[in-house]
Amino acid sequence: AQSVTQLGSHVSVSEGALVLLRCNYSSSVPPYLFWYVQYPNQGLQLLLKYTTGATLVKGINGFEAEFKKSETSFHLTKPSAHMSDAAEYFCAVRPSNDYKLSFGAGTTVTVRA
Amino acid sequence: DTAVSQTPKYLVTQMGNDKSIKCEQNLGHDTMYWYKQDSKKFLKIMFSYNNKELIINETVPNRFSPKSPDKAHLNLHINSLELGDSAVYFCASSQEPLGAFFGQGTRLTVV
Repeated sequence: AQSVTQLGSHVSVSEGALVLLRCNYSSSVPPYLFWYVQYPNQGLQLLLKYTTGATLVKGINGFEAEFKKSETSFHLTKPSAHMSDAAEYFCAVRPSNDYKLSFGAGTTVTVRA
Repeated sequence: DTAVSQTPKYLVTQMGNDKSIKCEQNLGHDTMYWYKQDSKKFLKIMFSYNNKELIINETVPNRFSPKSPDKAHLNLHINSLELGDSAVYFCASSQEPLGAFFGQGTRLTVV
């Protein structure tokens, strides 16, 4: 079985500051890892994914994440927050031998002017 | 063209009614999902189909029944609706290892 823990249900950052969203996972087999963003009253949009290969992955809107197997983590970062980054962010894991995509509880990001 | 489309977007209905939500994807993906998002935004997987075959069936009331007439469509039928069924239901499709693409959601309100 797999699970995802997102540390911090709410994160508030100033515009231009670093955004750091933490995600830890558990999986009995090598995982595929994802970050999604959800804007109000919309569906989920894929930001980036890790499947195999390079552990630092870059996504859309200037986000990137690093897969650290030893720490079972997949933290999401963006060097400089923009007002448009205010949204709900979800980390997700899928075992590489299964179809089940499981989500963390989400982190709400607020950007202060 | 919308990649994953759900209808209706909003659904308000009375307790005890039966309703269906439809989902279609034009991405050519093999796998489709239904997720339920509650008022705290928690996403719970309900069902998944791969090439019209049911592969994931989580612990949901048997009032919920998915149907996949072909691999581009996955519908969700709900019998005898209850207040607790109020939520946003998302359809998604995927072609591994690309990640899942989500529809815009159906906000179901049971009154």
